Amino acid sequence: SSELTQDPAVSVALGQTVRITCQGDSLRRYYASWYQQKPGQAPVLVIYGKNNRPSGIPDRFSGSSSGNTASLTITGAQAEDEADYYCNSRDSSGNHWVFGGGTKLTVL
Amino acid sequence: QLQLQESGPGLVKPSETLSLSCTVSGGSISSRGYYWGWIRQPPGKGLEWIGSIHYSGSTYYNPSLKSRVTISVDTSKNQFSLRLSSAIAADTALYYCARQFLEYSSSDWFDLWGQGTLVTVSS
Repeated sequence: SSELTQDPAVSVALGQTVRITCQGDSLRRYYASWYQQKPGQAPVLVIYGKNNRPSGIPDRFSGSSSGNTASLTITGAQAEDEADYYCNSRDSSGNHWVFGGGTKLTVL
Repeated sequence: QLQLQESGPGLVKPSETLSLSCTVSGGSISSRGYYWGWIRQPPGKGLEWIGSIHYSGSTYYNPSLKSRVTISVDTSKNQFSLRLSSAIAADTALYYCARQFLEYSSSDWFDLWGQGTLVTVSS
C-alpha cells in the first residue's frame, strides 16, 4: 500500500481548470514532485519543489501544498494533458521514497 | 544533453537474479547533488521506487524489496546497476532508471528518466 493517496481518476472539460491531489502525512514535511505519464512513454517531471516547472513544461501546470495535501493544478486543460499523473515524496521515515497510486486524467 | 539507457535481459526465470544496467551519457554520474534511481511499473499498474545510489556508493532501498535488492555504481563506466535476487512473477515490470536531485532536505525529484526496459519473470 502507498503512503501517498491519489484519486484514481479525474475528468475535466477542455479549457477548464482541474486539481489533482495527493495526500500523506509525510507531505507535512516534504514537498511532492509530480510526473505526467502518457501511454507507452516514460514519466516526465512537471512540478517539483514548492512550485517549480522544468524547462519546457507549460505554465498552465502549477503546484501547491497545504497540510498533508499536495496539489497539481492545470489551468486551461488541453487535450494533450490527458495522461496519468503521479505524485512522489519521501515517506514518514525520510529515508525512502513513495509514489502515489496515480490519477488518470481525462480531458472531455 | 544527458540521457539514460537501461539494458539487460528481457526474460528471467523464477528464483534467478534479475540484473539491469543504466548507462549515463552526455554527463557525469559523479555530478554533485544527484542520486541515481531505479523505479519499476508492473503492466497496467503504478510506479514503485526500488532504490537510489550516489556515485560515492551510498544507497537507499525500498524496505519492501531491501532483502533482495542490490544497487551498485561504476563511475569508470558511467553506469549504475540493479540486481534483484530470487525473482518472482510479481517482479515482471517495466524498469526505469532515473536521475534524482537530492540536495535539499525538504525537496527532491526525479528529473530525467530512461525509456524503460520490460523484464518478464517466467519459466
